[in-house]
Amino acid sequence: QVQLVESGGGVVQPGRSLRLSCTASGFIFSAYGMHWVRQAPGQGLEWVAVISHDGSNKVYAASVKGRFTISRDNSKNTLYLQMDSLTTEDTAVYYCAKPTIVLDFWGQGTLVTVSS
Amino acid sequence: DIQMTQSPSTLSASVGDRVTITCRASQSISSWLAWYQQKSGKAPKLLIFKASNLQSGVPLRFSGSGSGTEFTLTISSLQPDDFATYYCQHYKSYPWTFGQGTKVEIK
Repeated sequence: QVQLVESGGGVVQPGRSLRLSCTASGFIFSAYGMHWVRQAPGQGLEWVAVISHDGSNKVYAASVKGRFTISRDNSKNTLYLQMDSLTTEDTAVYYCAKPTIVLDFWGQGTLVTVSS
Repeated sequence: DIQMTQSPSTLSASVGDRVTITCRASQSISSWLAWYQQKSGKAPKLLIFKASNLQSGVPLRFSGSGSGTEFTLTISSLQPDDFATYYCQHYKSYPWTFGQGTKVEIK
């Protein structure tokens, strides 16, 4: 069965960096584009970024463009989100998600807290 | 960017009630709309895609309708397991955006 497991969250100071990982299993990872979605505490869902199946195309939300980088290693079945110049506004649970058409499988999420 | 607006933000209902949630898009998205259910502390779960197509395994009491800019999610007979927050999301073009959510509470 499809499994997505995020890791790498934690507490980080404003202005610092953090890299999230999402390890996939149960499907042919290299055949699917992958997404990151986040949810600030007590707030709604915000789409963050998408990467094509081969990593050649990437699209970002305006709120993270230029600071976050989505990437993947198909040999390791792993999706990444490099987050630089973090601000308190980036505090959220970060989910990776796999689409068939839309987001039909989600990981459990990893919490990122940006605080001094 | 396409903005998605849900109403109401909170809905109080009883078991057995028929419940309807509305989602409006700031421009036409054809039928490129999904609905998700999220319970506290859990990841969202896909309920409906392409406005009216039920995801495999989702109970038949859930249904979706609409096209263009106005959409609805209906729960025909609310069950105890249905108390949760519901989100609409368009996927017409990037950036994908979600509605702000509708919390369905016990009356």
